[in-house]
Amino acid sequence: QQQVKQSPQSLIVQKGGIPIINCAYENTAFDYFPWYQQFPGKGPALLIAIRPDVSEKKEGRFTISFNKSAKQFSLHIMDSQPGDSATYFCAASGGYQLIWGAGTKLIIKP
Amino acid sequence: EPEVTQTPSHQVTQMGQEVILRCVPISNHLYFYWYRQILGQKVEFLVSFYNNEISEKSEIFDDQFSVERPDGSNFTLKIRSTKLEDSAMYFCASSAQGIHQETQYFGPGTRLLVL
Repeated sequence: QQQVKQSPQSLIVQKGGIPIINCAYENTAFDYFPWYQQFPGKGPALLIAIRPDVSEKKEGRFTISFNKSAKQFSLHIMDSQPGDSATYFCAASGGYQLIWGAGTKLIIKP
Repeated sequence: EPEVTQTPSHQVTQMGQEVILRCVPISNHLYFYWYRQILGQKVEFLVSFYNNEISEKSEIFDDQFSVERPDGSNFTLKIRSTKLEDSAMYFCASSAQGIHQETQYFGPGTRLLVL
């Protein structure tokens, strides 16, 4: 019940396309859902986060969609750029610790 | 921009040896965390720390592990007798508050290799 399932494992998108990464959780006590971006050799950096009282949050080119009834949330990257190539992790929390998805390696082709 | 720093960036050790991984959290943060990421796998929570006490720990954080804030700036993770399976990237993180909606800021990590 503590798991967060993330898909796909990897994703290749042409520049300008809209990659979509999906996550699903089981624990209804989770109430904080961040997305982290990680470049090779670096620590994860918070990209955007959402709470379950809203269905969508947008920050720049990044949007989280949240479906509380389905216990799913997703990250959309609008007008993707080669610089967005990184590994993306979804996570969920109901306390101190973050429970992480397995990560999606995203490649944006020029 | 303030950031979490970690030393060393890489550590190679022999199985059975003790290692200490060091972190300097962001200066006004009060909550500190250790996570690990085995190569190619997901990030896993190890422990959270507040007010000189462990506030939460995972099943991974067994008696081989300990954390300490020896002074006002450093936060350390000690692995008493390393095992091969401890080889991983270890990330320190800090947050201003411990409520779960508070952003955790991550350091660049220490890559630990146990031979």
